[in-house]
Amino acid sequence: DTGVSQDPRHKITKRGQNVTFRCDPISEHNRLYWYRQTLGQGPEFLTYFQNEAQLEKSRLLSDRFSAERPKGSFSTLEIQRTEQGDSAMYLCASSLRGGQPQHFGDGTRLSIL
Amino acid sequence: QKEVEQDPGPLSVPEGAIVSLNCTYSNSAFQYFMWYRQYSRKGPELLMYTYSSGNKEDGRFTAQVDKSSKYISLFIRDSQPSDSATYLCAMRGENFGNEKLTFGTGTRLTIIP
Repeated sequence: DTGVSQDPRHKITKRGQNVTFRCDPISEHNRLYWYRQTLGQGPEFLTYFQNEAQLEKSRLLSDRFSAERPKGSFSTLEIQRTEQGDSAMYLCASSLRGGQPQHFGDGTRLSIL
Repeated sequence: QKEVEQDPGPLSVPEGAIVSLNCTYSNSAFQYFMWYRQYSRKGPELLMYTYSSGNKEDGRFTAQVDKSSKYISLFIRDSQPSDSATYLCAMRGENFGNEKLTFGTGTRLTIIP
């Protein structure tokens, strides 16, 4: 049983560029979650999906951010016109269904130059 | 004031000692309580998952939840250098759709050989 897989592990980009991250959840997990973690802080919730439906979005998810899970399997998180404050670790988690534990991937570290 | 408070440490203890980590929270709607372990540049790894009040033991780890005091604890017995990591508490509500995890800031733990 493979874990949650995230790609890339590290992304370096210039301010103003667009970036896209991918998350592959654990097989058969219908819930998929995105969190953001900055240095010295715990992860903060961004959004989550049940299959392909996006059910909740945090106020942290400005209109520069968009997440999709088109076929209810992998998900992408896109950030447009990146800003310095977007520098963080972006974590993906999945769970078998609601109420079950969330299992995390190793994240994508975003660095904005 | 944050919904979940956790002492960031750092905490250093000698190998073999009992470690006590804790979090307090303010939201009485929280019903599920978790402890995650996070190594540097890795994602959070689920250690303990408990529902409502009580104790749960798994090997060298014991999780305690006291909902009346809004206080949760994680005890690590016979601590090992490999336990050196950041420990994150997390919690969520019970209702369907209330799936986001709210994390503490994490406590950085070092076990001294």
